[in-house]
Amino acid sequence: AQSVTQLGSHVSVSEGALVLLRCNYSSSVPPYLFWYVQYPNQGLQLLLKYTSAATLVKGINGFEAEFKKSETSFHLTKPSAHMSDAAEYFCAVSYGGSQGNLIFGKGTKLSVKP
Amino acid sequence: ETGVTQSPTHLIKTRGQQVTLRCSSQSGHNTVSWYQQALGQGPQFIFQYYREEENGRGNFPPRFSGLQFPNYSSELNVNALELDDSALYLCASRADRETYEQYFGPGTRLTVT
Repeated sequence: AQSVTQLGSHVSVSEGALVLLRCNYSSSVPPYLFWYVQYPNQGLQLLLKYTSAATLVKGINGFEAEFKKSETSFHLTKPSAHMSDAAEYFCAVSYGGSQGNLIFGKGTKLSVKP
Repeated sequence: ETGVTQSPTHLIKTRGQQVTLRCSSQSGHNTVSWYQQALGQGPQFIFQYYREEENGRGNFPPRFSGLQFPNYSSELNVNALELDDSALYLCASRADRETYEQYFGPGTRLTVT
């Protein structure tokens, strides 16, 4: 079965530091890849997506992610963390087609220290 | 453009009862999916509706059922509630079943006691 692994259930960074959240998928066929953010007591907001165009994808709020087929990875980065980035982040994959459901990782909670 | 809306926001039910959750898809979106997010977990796919028919299902028992209406809004019904059904239920819509991006609603928090 296809799966998504997010390394680190909890990541803590200082304000202004680099944010790196890791995501690996298990498939020999490159899927469509997504990062979603979830603030407390809210639904999921799409940060960015990879759909077989440029391998470096820029999203909202200064986040970006790079698709690396050889490593089956899609890590999320932001050069300088802001207090408002504190939230839970989910990596998800889809294999398209008529069903196209999303398969999510377990999430990484990002804390930002002042 | 109106986003995905869900109702109710919170719900408390007793084990064995039945519950109906509602979702209005984003304007122009004809495909609706439902996900269950247990505490501390990522969302898990329950099923998808496209033009009023179920169009894919995850690993959930038949007591999880749904409907989609001509205006593309949708319902999730859960019968014989169990304690493990306590979760955040998320609805997501997309423009068409061939598109990739799904837009999520705020969710319904269901607590089963």
